Amino acid sequence: EPEVTQTPSHQVTQMGQEVILRCVPISNHLYFYWYRQILGQKVEFLVSFYNNEISEKSEIFDDQFSVERPDGSNFTLKIRSTKLEDSAMYFCASSEQPGLNTGELFFGEGSRLTVL
Amino acid sequence: GENVEQHPSTLSVQEGDSAVIKCTYSDSASNYFPWYKQELGKGPQLIIDIRSNVGEKKDQRIAVTLNKTAKHFSLHITETQPEDSAVYFCAASEGSGGYQKVTFGIGTKLQVIP
Repeated sequence: EPEVTQTPSHQVTQMGQEVILRCVPISNHLYFYWYRQILGQKVEFLVSFYNNEISEKSEIFDDQFSVERPDGSNFTLKIRSTKLEDSAMYFCASSEQPGLNTGELFFGEGSRLTVL
Repeated sequence: GENVEQHPSTLSVQEGDSAVIKCTYSDSASNYFPWYKQELGKGPQLIIDIRSNVGEKKDQRIAVTLNKTAKHFSLHITETQPEDSAVYFCAASEGSGGYQKVTFGIGTKLQVIP
């Protein structure tokens, strides 16, 4: 069964450092998302991406965050200057092309980011 | 924006008993209500979903109900088994086509006691 894969599974970084989290969405999906889950809290929407541009972003997704689809398979989340409060599990997700109306988001297993 | 409230936050049941998790949502434009199961160390996985034109949906031991007027929806798990132990998230979305911006509830940690 096709799946969303994420790397790394866990990253530890120093405050102020740049971090790039990588995702390979399901190959025929066209919508891509990043969500974040701080320990013990709800899963929060960060950003959605379609047709090589951001389609929607939350207030969490400020200027220190950026997303990119550098090639036909990868989808990355960059945090330019990490803060302690960026420590969380980051989930990538993807969903199908328009018109199929399935609505299902397929999530990866997450990348745990620890900022020291 | 959408706000999803979920309760209880924790739920312990004896194996074989039923478990019910309840959620409310705020945005009447939401039209899609998925439920996700998250096992330790994994990402959320869709277990069942319901659309706003349907009041109830069942898949084996799992059922969901939706009351659009009251903006309530619930997950029912019957004949619970130890492998049902996980965190369950309700969610609401106003999506169209393939695009879904999902707003999650806080999650319910379900423990099924053998």
